[in-house]
Amino acid sequence: DAGVIQSPRHEVTEMGQEVTLRCKPISGHDYLFWYRQTMMRGLELLIYFNNNVPIDDSGMPEDRFSAKMPNASFSTLKIQPSEPRDSAVYFCASSDRAEAFFGQGTRLTVV
Amino acid sequence: KNEVEQSPQNLTAQEGEFITINCSYSVGISALHWLQQHPGGGIVSLFMLSSGKKKHGRLIATINIQEKHSSLHITASHPRDSAVYICAVMEYGNKLVFGAGTILRVKS
Repeated sequence: DAGVIQSPRHEVTEMGQEVTLRCKPISGHDYLFWYRQTMMRGLELLIYFNNNVPIDDSGMPEDRFSAKMPNASFSTLKIQPSEPRDSAVYFCASSDRAEAFFGQGTRLTVV
Repeated sequence: KNEVEQSPQNLTAQEGEFITINCSYSVGISALHWLQQHPGGGIVSLFMLSSGKKKHGRLIATINIQEKHSSLHITASHPRDSAVYICAVMEYGNKLVFGAGTILRVKS
């Protein structure tokens, strides 16, 4: 398995634009997590799914953020409209309850 | 109070030194992870522990469930060990809560 795959690796967008981050988890993993990392706040859990169902989205900062998992092999995190304070590295991770594996992250810059 | 506390926040060591990073947590957990993040940004899972001790090369991780404490040890440290080490606890329900991380710099 190629591991958790995130795309794009880097995204620069203008304030107000819609941003979509993508994640392909490891095949067979039934948990998928979206995290955000900033210098100020470190790593934060945004939302996680179990068997494609959102379980806990209490970390999603506001209604501008939404996440979907239409099937076991794909998830998206969407920000609409984006703001400069959304600039961060967004990580996706998947887990089989034994271990968690992280993607390489998407570095988002909103200007 | 944070649910996961790491110490020290910053650590500078000389090559060859034995290093210990500590993690204390306040909630019930099903497992604890030690993660490594290099300056390039990628995160690698080093260990997942639910009890006892694990060893991988020069790295050793221990956990004491009763005391809600875990340690990560690096023997014969090397400059390539320089990274941020993050403790993360997996609460019941598989939610991961992260410590703030320990920035380790090993000088040659």
